[in-house]
Amino acid sequence: QVQLQESGPGLVKPSQTLSLTCTVSGGSISGGSYYWSWIRQPAGKGLEWIGRIYTSGSTNYNPSLRSRVTISVDPSKNQFSLKLTSVTAADTAVYYCAREDVKVVPCSFDSWGQGTLVTVSS
Amino acid sequence: QSALTQPASVSGSPGQSITISCTGTGGDVGGYDYVSWYQQHPGKAPKLMIFEVSNRPSGVSNRFSGSKSVNTASLTISGLQAEDEADYFCSSYRNSDNPVVFGGGTKLTVL
Repeated sequence: QVQLQESGPGLVKPSQTLSLTCTVSGGSISGGSYYWSWIRQPAGKGLEWIGRIYTSGSTNYNPSLRSRVTISVDPSKNQFSLKLTSVTAADTAVYYCAREDVKVVPCSFDSWGQGTLVTVSS
Repeated sequence: QSALTQPASVSGSPGQSITISCTGTGGDVGGYDYVSWYQQHPGKAPKLMIFEVSNRPSGVSNRFSGSKSVNTASLTISGLQAEDEADYFCSSYRNSDNPVVFGGGTKLTVL
């Protein structure tokens, strides 16, 4: 059973860069046909897909965030990461990492991290 | 504003059935059989309940079922139980440039 765990600063200053890491355990991040995504949820609101990276390293980003987002993978550490630049208070949210198993549950997220709250404030 | 439209809230009594709708367009819900439903309890991560419109992952109760008609997908929960009280979100594939869109979520209250 794969497990995902987010980590990173809980407080980021406006205009700075938000950086989070998702550590995958119980399976290889490079094995299989998986997309690894970042999803966020402002308090009391809905989910917003941020972007994803495929096993091969190719990426897709939400068009509304594309200019500020970079997702990368480090297979040696079984981790993938999110960088979001020039943050504002509107970026305050719980950030989740999640897995899409393309062959079993295409276009769905069958494994999620517990989420980490990131607050943007000076 | 979310890409897919869901009712803000629904309610039902134990044992009853409820249905939550998720309305999109021909460019997402109506164009692909890639609608998913997630259950989220307070303070917890979402849990996949339905994928590809009507398929249940292993371990999900058969009280949960999904369907789609034109541009609206639906999640039906039969035999409501207290533990079903949660937020429910739908999602759909849209296109290769913006592959995942979500609904705004529906709060289910079990009376």
